[in-house]
Amino acid sequence: DQQVKQNSPSLSVQEGRISILNCDYTNSMFDYFLWYKKYPAEGPTFLISISSIKDKNEDGRFTVFLNKSAKHLSLHIVPSQPGDSAVYFCAASASIYNQGGKLIFGQGTELSVKP
Amino acid sequence: DAGVTQSPTHLIKTRGQQVTLRCSPKSGHDTVSWYQQALGQGPQFIFQYYEEEERQRGNFPDRFSGHQFPNYSSELNVNALLLGDSALYLCASSLFGRGDTGELFFGEGSRLTVL
Repeated sequence: DQQVKQNSPSLSVQEGRISILNCDYTNSMFDYFLWYKKYPAEGPTFLISISSIKDKNEDGRFTVFLNKSAKHLSLHIVPSQPGDSAVYFCAASASIYNQGGKLIFGQGTELSVKP
Repeated sequence: DAGVTQSPTHLIKTRGQQVTLRCSPKSGHDTVSWYQQALGQGPQFIFQYYEEEERQRGNFPDRFSGHQFPNYSSELNVNALLLGDSALYLCASSLFGRGDTGELFFGEGSRLTVL
């Protein structure tokens, strides 16, 4: 039962263009969504998050959009840089079930930004 | 300020053996969560420890057990190893109740191979 899905295993984008990574979820109890970035041989690092009471959150080049009716969120990276090449994980949590620390992750999307 | 540290980084075991993985949380954190990341998948929540007690548990069998020490460090034990236990084991730390809003910090992981 995959509650968080990232249907694109990989994405290739030209430097300077927009990268759009997508994520779908099934559990309507999720109320917080996060994106983590992972380089090889490193642990995931937090990138950006959004609460279910919002539909957009921006942090520099990174913007996360949430569409609750469609149970869909996306991460936009503009402009994309070669250093953004990594695996990106979408994650979700449900505060009603949670005492913090239990995240449900998608399978990840490997982003490659070509110079 | 040391982040989350895990040991060992790599290890190889045979089926039926037992393994212990160790984690020191980020300075100031009191909660440790463990995740299993199989190849090509996202991290899956195993369990969380706070105040030396298991607080939450994911869908993992009793062969997976843990411990938290008074200094907040933690161990993950896996008994009767199966081939399917081969994975990257990630430790994450946070302050209790704060780990689901982007304040969950991961270590680099322990890569377990079961032959």
